[in-house]
Amino acid sequence: AQSVTQLGSHVSVSEGALVLLRCNYSSSVPPYLFWYVQYPNQGLQLLLKYTSAATLVKGINGFEAEFKKSETSFHLTKPSAHMSDAAEYFCAVINSGGYQKVTFGTGTKLQVIP
Amino acid sequence: DAGVTQSPTHLIKTRGQQVTLRCSPKSGHDTVSWYQQALGQGPQFIFQYYEEEERQRGNFPDRFSGHQFPNYSSELNVNALLLGDSALYLCASSPGSQSPLHFGNGTRLTVT
Repeated sequence: AQSVTQLGSHVSVSEGALVLLRCNYSSSVPPYLFWYVQYPNQGLQLLLKYTSAATLVKGINGFEAEFKKSETSFHLTKPSAHMSDAAEYFCAVINSGGYQKVTFGTGTKLQVIP
Repeated sequence: DAGVTQSPTHLIKTRGQQVTLRCSPKSGHDTVSWYQQALGQGPQFIFQYYEEEERQRGNFPDRFSGHQFPNYSSELNVNALLLGDSALYLCASSPGSQSPLHFGNGTRLTVT
């Protein structure tokens, strides 16, 4: 089964600094990959998705991710962190069977320091 | 346009009891999935309902069961609760199985 590994359970950045959240996938076939964000006491919101079209995917709130097959990576970036970006971020992959059965990583909690 | 709504928001139960959680999908969505999110973990897929039938199931015991009604709303039932069932239970919906999920805010279940 496909899986994703998120490096770093906690990441701290200063406001205005680059955000880089790491995700590596294991898949023998081209995967569909996602990044979701979860704010405290809320459900998950889709940030962006990769479905084998463009390798650089732009999402909401200024985030983007680049699919790199050679590195089996799908890291999430944002040029300038804002206080409102403080949340938990989950990388996810679809297993066979459509968009419903999503396998999530363990999450990275982003702290933004003023 | 209401998104995915779940009730109740919080619930406390005792070991051995049974619990029912409810979910109304986003308008226009006919497919509902349930996920369990333990503290500090990513969500784990429980099962998916479409056309009132369970279509896919994750690695959860039979104590976890569900139902989907003709109006697409859904229930998650858990019998013989264990302490390890304490988690945030998330409902997600989509218009068919080939679209990304929209999540509700979840039901926080505490088993004592």
